[in-house]
Amino acid sequence: IAGITQAPTSQILAAGRRMTLRCTQDMRHNAMYWYRQDLGLGLRLIHYSNTAGTTGKGEVPDGYSVSRANTDDFPLTLASAVPSQTSVYFCASSASRGGADTQYFGPGTRLTVL
Amino acid sequence: QKEVEQNSGPLSVPEGAIASLNCTYSDRVSQSFFWYRQYSGKSPELIMSIYSNGDKEDGRFTAQLNKASQYVSLLIRDSQPSDSATYLCAVRAGDTGGFKTIFGAGTRLFVKA
Repeated sequence: IAGITQAPTSQILAAGRRMTLRCTQDMRHNAMYWYRQDLGLGLRLIHYSNTAGTTGKGEVPDGYSVSRANTDDFPLTLASAVPSQTSVYFCASSASRGGADTQYFGPGTRLTVL
Repeated sequence: QKEVEQNSGPLSVPEGAIASLNCTYSDRVSQSFFWYRQYSGKSPELIMSIYSNGDKEDGRFTAQLNKASQYVSLLIRDSQPSDSATYLCAVRAGDTGGFKTIFGAGTRLFVKA
């Protein structure tokens, strides 16, 4: 593995179902982030983690939860999916806290909630 | 007012021309500014970062920052068809006790061969 991987690549999900999007990085970065990208709205931060064991809410956290049990993994869970959560989800990481340095993005997960 | 604003475009320029992309932001204490490029169906990748007023050049790319006027721009010289992509401006807000980087919605650039 080099960089950030996300799984699945795409998913069609029935409303009300639970779904976990996976994200793994092998760069030993401290900070990790989850964004959603919708047409005309750009990237919006859902949740972030400055270091293993800590998480924080971004701009649009409602309906999503995250955990950061270790440095490498940062899963995003939709407890009960709704159609408005249809989007492309990007995981990203950066070496230090605060994002003053480069964020590296995963390839994205395209999620459709019907 | 959006925190980070960009013209959505599309901006169309002929091959070899200079493409000028602009971004304005609302938080006066912002410290870090980034330009990401995103090809259709792909993830964003950083092309430039700038932290001080003035110009920063990297190959065919020049980032310009004016904190007094709260704008940051990206110039692409000798534009190539391979530069056709969406360019995202990102601004790291001042220290509010938590991390916050805000992305603009992006400007679509088309370079015509």
